[in-house]
Amino acid sequence: GAVVSQHPSRVICKSGTSVKIECRSLDFQATTMFWYRQFPKQSLMLMATSNEGSKATYEQGVEKDKFLINHASLTLSTLTVTSAHPEDSSFYICSARRGRVNTEAFFGQGTRLTVV
Amino acid sequence: GNSVTQMEGPVTLSEEAFLTINCTYTATGYPSLFWYVQYPGEGLQLLLKATKADDKGSNKGFEATYRKETTSFHLEKGSVQVSDSAVYFCALSPAPGSSNTGKLIFGQGTTLQVKP
Repeated sequence: GAVVSQHPSRVICKSGTSVKIECRSLDFQATTMFWYRQFPKQSLMLMATSNEGSKATYEQGVEKDKFLINHASLTLSTLTVTSAHPEDSSFYICSARRGRVNTEAFFGQGTRLTVV
Repeated sequence: GNSVTQMEGPVTLSEEAFLTINCTYTATGYPSLFWYVQYPGEGLQLLLKATKADDKGSNKGFEATYRKETTSFHLEKGSVQVSDSAVYFCALSPAPGSSNTGKLIFGQGTTLQVKP
């Protein structure tokens, strides 16, 4: 199956700093990438959808200035958590799809962010 | 709108027991349906999928049948193993042409614990 690599897998940062998480599709071109947030023992919450070369579409309630998403190429999307605070600590997961219509998503390994 | 409802967990079974995890959905048209699995500390992996009514997805001994008449996609396995202990997520991708085409909508997840 297709491989999606997410980096880093774990990061600890100080409150007020910014953290960048990368999501790469290794063996296919991802026209669309998704960023999810997963709280402990809860399901995934879609944060935003990014299409290569265009601005990300954010879900309601997600601060676009805080969670910056850049989908610069067909194989790379980045999520930057700006001015991180302890409440941003969570498990962030990306997924990538080849197309928009009824194709499965392939998930990265996830990034455990801890803000201290 | 589109939504997915899963049975609440945790589900605790003895090894070799029969497994059913219920999943029902609400959507217009014919969405694609998926089961994802998340092992402890890891990201999500696609377990199986079905893209049209009456399709049966299967993988690693797990099966699920797309039932349009009951809007269900229940996950089953005839004989579970300790290694199947994980969180299982049912998800749908809206049918082409809908406002949410391209997104994955997840259920709340069901934790399975298999004891030796």
